[in-house]
Amino acid sequence: RKEVEQDPGPFNVPEGATVAFNCTYSNSASQSFFWYRQDCRKEPKLLMSVYSSGNEDGRFTAQLNRASQYISLLIRDSKLSDSATYLCAVPTGGFKTIFGAGTRLFVKA
Amino acid sequence: DVKVTQSSRYLVKRTGEKVFLECVQDMDHENMFWYRQDPGLGLRLIYFSYDVKMKEKGDIPEGYSVSREKKERFSLILESASTNQTSMYLCASGTRTGTDTQYFGPGTRLTVL
Repeated sequence: RKEVEQDPGPFNVPEGATVAFNCTYSNSASQSFFWYRQDCRKEPKLLMSVYSSGNEDGRFTAQLNRASQYISLLIRDSKLSDSATYLCAVPTGGFKTIFGAGTRLFVKA
Repeated sequence: DVKVTQSSRYLVKRTGEKVFLECVQDMDHENMFWYRQDPGLGLRLIYFSYDVKMKEKGDIPEGYSVSREKKERFSLILESASTNQTSMYLCASGTRTGTDTQYFGPGTRLTVL
């Protein structure tokens, strides 16, 4: 089992739709979690961090389920500009962070 | 505004050449990282450094070395480039806690012919 796993997608959704991605992790001791957004041919940039049960920022909600060892990212009212790859990241407790391979999202007009 | 810069956006080299990729951060971060990103494989850690002159192997260090002589600069060296090292190389920096976010440079797309 990979340390961090994501559904690669792609997810194709119309504008205005609600879409959710999951990310599973194997290290039950992990305490913090991150979602990064990566546009085509660009670097990853932090979207949200999750340290407890969840976090909300506008149309974006990240939730943590420790019992099942996954985090989710919910995007409401999708915009064309939300089209990107979303990377899940889980620090290992040392200096390393394990990144998922990413979930691609396409929002269509 | 945080900033991580990389010496080149695109680089084309020939098999056997020695390649230097440089990364500079202006946030006074202790930790710096080199990743490569390939389709379907995500970000894979090559090397990281938690202090000047300190380095640790990541998950795929073979064929690479690194240098960190100053806190703000972390260099990745391909001693003898091979075609399987064609990839996107991303540098990142972060604070010492290791649980904080990482800030990425724009990436260097390296092609080895």
